[in-house]
Amino acid sequence: LAKTTQPISMDSYEGQEVNITCSHNNIATNDYITWYQQFPSQGPRFIIQGYKTKVTNEVASLFIPADRKSSTLSLPRVSLSDTAVYYCLVGGTYNFNKFYFGSGTKLNVKP
Amino acid sequence: DTGVSQDPRHKITKRGQNVTFRCDPISEHNRLYWYRQTLGQGPEFLTYFQNEAQLEKSRLLSDRFSAERPKGSFSTLEIQRTEQGDSAMYLCASSLPGQGPSWEAFFGQGTRLTVV
Repeated sequence: LAKTTQPISMDSYEGQEVNITCSHNNIATNDYITWYQQFPSQGPRFIIQGYKTKVTNEVASLFIPADRKSSTLSLPRVSLSDTAVYYCLVGGTYNFNKFYFGSGTKLNVKP
Repeated sequence: DTGVSQDPRHKITKRGQNVTFRCDPISEHNRLYWYRQTLGQGPEFLTYFQNEAQLEKSRLLSDRFSAERPKGSFSTLEIQRTEQGDSAMYLCASSLPGQGPSWEAFFGQGTRLTVV
C-alpha cells in the first residue's frame, strides 16, 4: 500500500496560484497518482489523475517528475470556494480499495 | 442518474442500537466501496464489492459490521450494538472497472452517524 506525505495545511489568497506537493517514495510501476478534493460534510470529489509528466484539465494541473516519487497539484487563481481538503492518492486504478487517503492538505483561501 | 446516493444523511442513535445505511451507486458501476471518516482524518477503507460479491474487508470492519449488495445494485451497511466510537461519516463510492486516464471513483455525500 503506497502511502503518501502531504503538508497538513496551506494558506493562500484569492487569485494566487497554489501548489500542493505530495511525496510517494514507494510508488509502484503500475500506480497512478490521483488527487481528490473534499468540502466539509461532503464526499471526496475527483480532481485530476496522471501517470507521468504533466496533466492539465479545466480545474488543475498535475506535475510528475521523471522518478515519480513526488507530484504537485497546481490550482491556478484560487477563489474562496477552493477552500477544502486535498488528498493525494497513489495506486493502480483497478484497485481503488487499495488507495490510501491519509489526512490530506487543508487549503485555506483568504480574501 | 445524478450520482451516488446515500440514505439517511444523518443518523443519531443510542449506544447499543442497530443502524443500517443504504447506498445507491451510479447505475452502470459494478464496483462499490464503503469508507469511514472521522473528524480531521481522511476516509478509511472498510469493504469493497464487485457486483454482488464482497471481495475485501478491512480489519476495521469488526464483526458488528456487515455489508451486503444483493443483486449487485444498492448496498447496505449495518452496524450492530453501536458504540460511541462508531460515530463517524460513512461514505460510499462506486466505479467502473478499468484503469488509466479518466478513471475515477464517485463518492456519495455520506451518512453522518452520531452514537449517544
